[in-house]
Amino acid sequence: DADVTQTPRNRITKTGKRIMLECSQTKGHDRMYWYRQDPGLGLRLIYYSFDVKDINKGEISDGYSVSRQAQAKFSLSLESAIPNQTALYFCATSDLLGGLETQYFGPGTRLLVL
Amino acid sequence: DQQVKQNSPSLSVQEGRISILNCDYTNSMFDYFLWYKKYPAEGPTFLISISSIKDKNEDGRFTVFLNKSAKHLSLHIVPSQPGDSAVYFCAASFLSGTYKYIFGTGTRLKVLA
Repeated sequence: DADVTQTPRNRITKTGKRIMLECSQTKGHDRMYWYRQDPGLGLRLIYYSFDVKDINKGEISDGYSVSRQAQAKFSLSLESAIPNQTALYFCATSDLLGGLETQYFGPGTRLLVL
Repeated sequence: DQQVKQNSPSLSVQEGRISILNCDYTNSMFDYFLWYKKYPAEGPTFLISISSIKDKNEDGRFTVFLNKSAKHLSLHIVPSQPGDSAVYFCAASFLSGTYKYIFGTGTRLKVLA
């Protein structure tokens, strides 16, 4: 079983619709992240959370919101989707071993906004 | 402003030969670097990391070299295998344990049988 799961894996929506992408993890990690990947731009951080009561903006948070419902669940919402939010979205979790952080990624959600 | 750059979008190598993937960074405060591998339809998976107190870290066929003065790191894969064909991302961060990984744009490696 995958340690970090994302639902849905693929989604097509229309401009102006609200959608939610969900992430669950069984790794027991406190830290969770949402990234988006665009061609030629690598992965960029949208939001991150260090525990259930902690939410922080990343470098490209405009147009997005998140909810950390439990240690294991971190969801990303697009309140009113627009076409330039078409991208591949990744959730990640991390732990600190010996002071070094390693992030573990889910399989991704491919989102198309028409 | 791209703080972490992978200037080669793609690389082809014969099976059994060495693959060298390069990464440059601009922020001298970065002190922790990672390489991730990504197959199609999967998320990136952690491959190897290095902190700035070292200039080399090895794990099996994978070795990462860090040249702090040049702000350059490289990933060597020896010998290359067809299963290594994937997109490779380098990332830079801080040993202080902050959240932020800055990713490069990726290099697509194709290992030819």
